[in-house]
Amino acid sequence: KQEVTQIPAALSVPEGENLVLNCSFTDSAIYNLQWFRQDPGKGLTSLLLIQSSQREQTSGRLNASLDKSSGRSTLYIAASQPGDSATYLCAVQAGGGNKLTFGTGTQLKVEL
Amino acid sequence: GAVVSQHPSWVICKSGTSVKIECRSLDFQATTMFWYRQFPKQSLMLMATSNEGSKATYEQGVEKDKFLINHASLTLSTLTVTSAHPEDSSFYICSARDWATPGRELFFGEGSRLTVL
Repeated sequence: KQEVTQIPAALSVPEGENLVLNCSFTDSAIYNLQWFRQDPGKGLTSLLLIQSSQREQTSGRLNASLDKSSGRSTLYIAASQPGDSATYLCAVQAGGGNKLTFGTGTQLKVEL
Repeated sequence: GAVVSQHPSWVICKSGTSVKIECRSLDFQATTMFWYRQFPKQSLMLMATSNEGSKATYEQGVEKDKFLINHASLTLSTLTVTSAHPEDSSFYICSARDWATPGRELFFGEGSRLTVL
């Protein structure tokens, strides 16, 4: 059974700081890994999708890496802003189907 | 990215009543949609996979008769919580895949918060 863990569970940083969120998964037989952002009481916004054959994806100030063999992914946020405050979720999709297994999330707060 | 819409965004109902939540793919066709449940400060748990024109596939531990799913068209799936009780209060989120988007990327709705009194 796939298990996805995110560290840290919560993080508070001053504005402008670069930060890294971590995601680990137990079964390396994945099809892809997706990072999402969730604001309080809202749905999920897809940030980055990394295929199992890829090592990283970039979008603006966000960079996600994937090391499938070790079961790890990181989300790097450059020059953090208060608007980045949200919960960040990673999710892995199994190779054989559509099911997404979500991590526990990292609650990020960027302070002025 | 593709847009998935949910309605209602929040609903309050009395115990024993049934509540229907709609999930629509606005700019693409979705043969498969997914329903998730999220408790406060917890992650999303997959409840069921909704397949257009056929029966939904439920995850272990999810009551089929309690959570009725209908996927009658390529753009609409509905989740009906039957005879709702306070323990059914939760945040329900649907997602859908736009097969035209490479990589099997999933897009999520805004969620529906159900409160059962």
